[in-house]
Amino acid sequence: QSALTQPPSASGSPGQSVTISCTGSSSDVGGYNYVAWYQQHLGKAPKLIIYEVSKRPSGVPDRFSGSKSGNTASLTVSGLQAEDEADYYCCSFTGNNKALFGGGTRLAVL
Amino acid sequence: EVQLVESGGGLVQPGESLRLSCAASGFTFSGYWMHWVRQAPGKGLVWVSRINPDGFITNYADSVQGRFTISRDNAKNTLYLQMNSLRAEDTAVYYCARDLIYNLPDYWGQGTLVTVSS
Repeated sequence: QSALTQPPSASGSPGQSVTISCTGSSSDVGGYNYVAWYQQHLGKAPKLIIYEVSKRPSGVPDRFSGSKSGNTASLTVSGLQAEDEADYYCCSFTGNNKALFGGGTRLAVL
Repeated sequence: EVQLVESGGGLVQPGESLRLSCAASGFTFSGYWMHWVRQAPGKGLVWVSRINPDGFITNYADSVQGRFTISRDNAKNTLYLQMNSLRAEDTAVYYCARDLIYNLPDYWGQGTLVTVSS
């Protein structure tokens, strides 16, 4: 099963907003509201920042928000800060009881 | 505080076996699905396997089906991944992770590096 499709890179200036997309199919992203987003800084373990499409775990700033339309989920980071520079991965439950990650997006804060 | 600590990684030759362990603490281990996720050097995250709380239900990625076996010992709060017939393409950092809901992990360990090379 191929990875979910994410743009390889994204960028924005401090204070700006950036949106990262994650495209799958009706067998994963489009079929379930079980989509998560992870932030991974270089050399570190992934950190959950969004789950069930748009829910934020305790402690995650509300600058991070998630949404979904059809087979595409999106992560928006508002009010960009230097510490937001990281790799971001989407993940979806799939119809065959597995999980599927996106290829990852490297976010640069210019 | 939830903690997951992987161990058992190392350098092995193609065709050899390795068993990874993940020691869990800070939560009721026996109540959660658990996952293994891997990341090849410089590449993205790839889901590998999951196991249900009592250890009787398991699922695998197609790429490891038949070669890898996930298991757990709830008395020891430990998750395992037995990896057989290892290939160069299995080279990766292997993370164990706790399931939040429907195969969406929340807490992750720091990972253990497996290198398959002759």
